[in-house]
Amino acid sequence: DIQMTQSPSSLSASLGDRVTITCRASQSISSYLNWYQQKPGKAPNLLIYGVSTLQSGVPLRFSGSGSGADFTLTISSLQPEDFATYYCQQSFSTPRTFGQGTRVEIK
Amino acid sequence: QVQLQQWGAGLLKPSETLSLTCAVYGESISGYYWSWIRQPPGKGLEWIGDINQSGSTNYTPSLKSRVTISLDTSRNQFSLTVSSVTAADTAAYYCAREKEVTGFSRGSYFYYYFIDVWGSGTTVTVSS
Repeated sequence: DIQMTQSPSSLSASLGDRVTITCRASQSISSYLNWYQQKPGKAPNLLIYGVSTLQSGVPLRFSGSGSGADFTLTISSLQPEDFATYYCQQSFSTPRTFGQGTRVEIK
Repeated sequence: QVQLQQWGAGLLKPSETLSLTCAVYGESISGYYWSWIRQPPGKGLEWIGDINQSGSTNYTPSLKSRVTISLDTSRNQFSLTVSSVTAADTAAYYCAREKEVTGFSRGSYFYYYFIDVWGSGTTVTVSS
């Protein structure tokens, strides 16, 4: 299985802050990397697929970058609705493993 | 708009079989992959497996011996069974649509898979 490791596990930030979350794969996964947002008690929601392609309806303050084994999710200016847990997922091979999640909290 | 409605027993005893069904509304079940993902209380997401329109399945190795995902095209539904459950199987279980996007870029083909539609989740508790 490909292991996905996110950092940090949690972070505290203020409204308007620029936030960066990192995801590292245990091997190269080319550009087969997705990002999801999950709020408490809800199903996850797709933000980005293929490293950097924004899903329809996702605000432009979200962006993704990287290749190979190292990837980044950036929120350019944190909004109230962005406080949530974020997961990366590789789709290079099955099983399609997720990172352990990064919880973004209000400072 | 595609919607997934899932149901199944929420309370099981150890050694029983977990059975969940997900109905697809708004489109045919053919032409996509369909997945199951679970999330233990307070923990992260675990991909269980998927099935395509041909009935071909993929499972995560740690659960493969106990898991079956099946497709019922006549009812536009797919299902998950997990046998011999233990407390470790206590989780919220989500059904989901896995979409494939293919293309050609920088001299090579790509085949992106991602989950773009989720069910609302079913909480399953295993307790004696």
